[in-house]
Amino acid sequence: GENVEQHPSTLSVQEGDSAVIKCTYSDSASNYFPWYKQELGKGPQLIIDIRSNVGEKKDQRIAVTLNKTAKHFSLHITETQPEDSAVYFCAASKRDDKIIFGKGTRLHILP
Amino acid sequence: DAGITQSPRYKITETGRQVTLMCHQTWSHSYMFWYRQDLGHGLRLIYYSAAADITDKGEVPDGYVVSRSKTENFPLTLESATRSQTSVYFCASSGGGNEQFFGPGTRLTVL
Repeated sequence: GENVEQHPSTLSVQEGDSAVIKCTYSDSASNYFPWYKQELGKGPQLIIDIRSNVGEKKDQRIAVTLNKTAKHFSLHITETQPEDSAVYFCAASKRDDKIIFGKGTRLHILP
Repeated sequence: DAGITQSPRYKITETGRQVTLMCHQTWSHSYMFWYRQDLGHGLRLIYYSAAADITDKGEVPDGYVVSRSKTENFPLTLESATRSQTSVYFCASSGGGNEQFFGPGTRLTVL
């Protein structure tokens, strides 16, 4: 089955700097790659997603890139702010139901 | 209120007892999911359901039972709780467009 690896497990960046989280997947049939943000005490929430027919997608300070050949995708957050502190999960899916999550990255934004 | 809710939010039980975690969504989403979240493991899929009366196993189904008699409800039962089932449990739903909407979670402690 699908396996999603996520790195790093913890990331600390200075406020205003950029943060990058990287993921790899194993199943070449996967075609949907969402990113979820989980704030303390809450359930995960979708922040951005990308499909396999697109190489990059941006939404304000957040961008995701996908390299299908290498089977890896990344989340980029620019101009980080205190409210970006959270746990981020990447995931992969190959059909409209279940998705497989990475183990998460705890992002700390330092003042 | 509209959305996805879970009950109870916190539960303490003893080894060997039966426990049922409830999940209710008001969107009439076809798909519903149960995950457990443990430190170092991220989110792992326990069971999912594509529609009423249709359920399927995820990555870690052993020790759990689900049912889906109504579209809006998807209860998760631990028939004989074990300490290894101490975790935070999240329910999610999806309308089939890949994005999953998560509930607030249930923190379960098995003594």
